[in-house]
Amino acid sequence: AQSVTQLDSHVSVSEGTPVLLRCNYSSSYSPSLFWYVQHPNKGLQLLLKYTSAATLVKGINGFEAEFKKSETSFHLTKPSAHMSDAAEYFCVVRTLGRGKLIFGQGTELSVKP
Amino acid sequence: GAGVSQSPRYKVTKRGQDVALRCDPISGHVSLYWYRQALGQGPEFLTYFNYEAQQDKSGLPNDRFSAERPEGSISTLTIQRTEQRDSAMYRCASSLAATNEKLFFGSGTQLSVL
Repeated sequence: AQSVTQLDSHVSVSEGTPVLLRCNYSSSYSPSLFWYVQHPNKGLQLLLKYTSAATLVKGINGFEAEFKKSETSFHLTKPSAHMSDAAEYFCVVRTLGRGKLIFGQGTELSVKP
Repeated sequence: GAGVSQSPRYKVTKRGQDVALRCDPISGHVSLYWYRQALGQGPEFLTYFNYEAQQDKSGLPNDRFSAERPEGSISTLTIQRTEQRDSAMYRCASSLAATNEKLFFGSGTQLSVL
């Protein structure tokens, strides 16, 4: 069965410094992986997706993620954090058969001025 | 519509009562998903539809939970004989095509069972 594990429940960075949100996946085949973001009192929004076309995926708002099969990881990064990046981030894997999306537990990102 | 719409935004009910949560997806979207999100947790899959057909209901916790999408558009999630443990945010999402991974989520219905 597919699953994702987000290694940090909370990450705090200063504005202008790099962001790293870690995600490991478990899958017996090449997975489809995603990052979603949830701002307070808002719905979830797709940040980026990996579907085997390229291992480095660029998303919205300057975020990117790199698929590393050898490490079974799909970490989310951004070179320079902005106050507006403060939100909950979810790593997601799609099950075989193009069905449901399985969400990780989430990482709350705080950005200090 | 402009986005996925869910109603009511908040629902407070007494234990044992039935509740019906409504989801109005983006017009023309084929797939519709129901998720449940407890505080501090990631969304938990409940069920999904392609058009009016329920494709997967493996995430429904028990037979008190049911969902329908009779005309392939609006969907209703029904919880019978509610229990306190059912309290959570219930989120609906839709996608343009069955193979499209970009889900558009609604703002959710916050259910509180007293």
